[in-house]
Amino acid sequence: DADVTQTPRNRITKTGKRIMLECSQTKGHDRMYWYRQDPGLGLQLIYYSFDVKDINKGEISDGYSVSRQAQAKFSLSLESAIPNQTALYFCATSETSGRNEQFFGPGTRLTVL
Amino acid sequence: KNEVEQSPQNLTAQEGEFITINCSYSVGISALHWLQQHPGGGIVSLFMLSSGKKKHGRLIATINIQEKHSSLHITASHPRDSAVYICAVYKGGNKLVFGAGTILRVKS
Repeated sequence: DADVTQTPRNRITKTGKRIMLECSQTKGHDRMYWYRQDPGLGLQLIYYSFDVKDINKGEISDGYSVSRQAQAKFSLSLESAIPNQTALYFCATSETSGRNEQFFGPGTRLTVL
Repeated sequence: KNEVEQSPQNLTAQEGEFITINCSYSVGISALHWLQQHPGGGIVSLFMLSSGKKKHGRLIATINIQEKHSSLHITASHPRDSAVYICAVYKGGNKLVFGAGTILRVKS
C-alpha cells in the first residue's frame, strides 16, 4: 500500500464550486505539505504543517485553505474554485528531524472549467 | 532569476546513450534532492545528497557545494527512463525549492 495517498486522483469542477483535496499518510511523519505544479514551472508550496496545531502559509496560499485533522491527514480546500487553479496538486510528508527527506503522494489532477 | 535552474529543459536521447542533467542553485542549502516524475504524474525520490556522489543502479548523482552545482547521470539509457527529472534544494526549515524540471525522452 502507498505510504502517502491522495483523493481524488482526478477532479473536474466548475468555477465557484468548493473543492476539497485530501491527503493521508501512514509514514508516521509530523510534517505535511501541499504543493501545486503548473506546466513548465517548478512545484510551488501552498501550505505546510509541522504538527497538528501548526499551519503555515507557503508561497501561493491565496485562494486556498487547509485543515490538519490528525497527524495522518491534511486537507486542502478551494473555497471558490477559479480556472487558474487548474493544476496538478501534490501532498508530501517528512520527518521532524534526521534526513528531512520529503515523500510525495501520487498527485491530484484538478480542472476548473 | 529562479533560485534553482536546470539544464537542459528538454533532452532526447537514443537508447544506450549516457545522459547528464544539470542543476545549479544560488542559495545556501542543507541538501539537494533529485526526483523523477513519470507521465502518470507521481513523483519518486531518486537521491538526496549533501556532498560527494551517490549511485543507484544506472543512476549517479554528484554535488559540488562550493560551485553550487549538481548533476544527475544516467548510464546505458533506456526508454523506461523517459520522465521528468526534477532538482530541488533544501534551503533550511525543511522547505524545498524546486527547479522547473528536465523532460527526458529516450528513443529505442
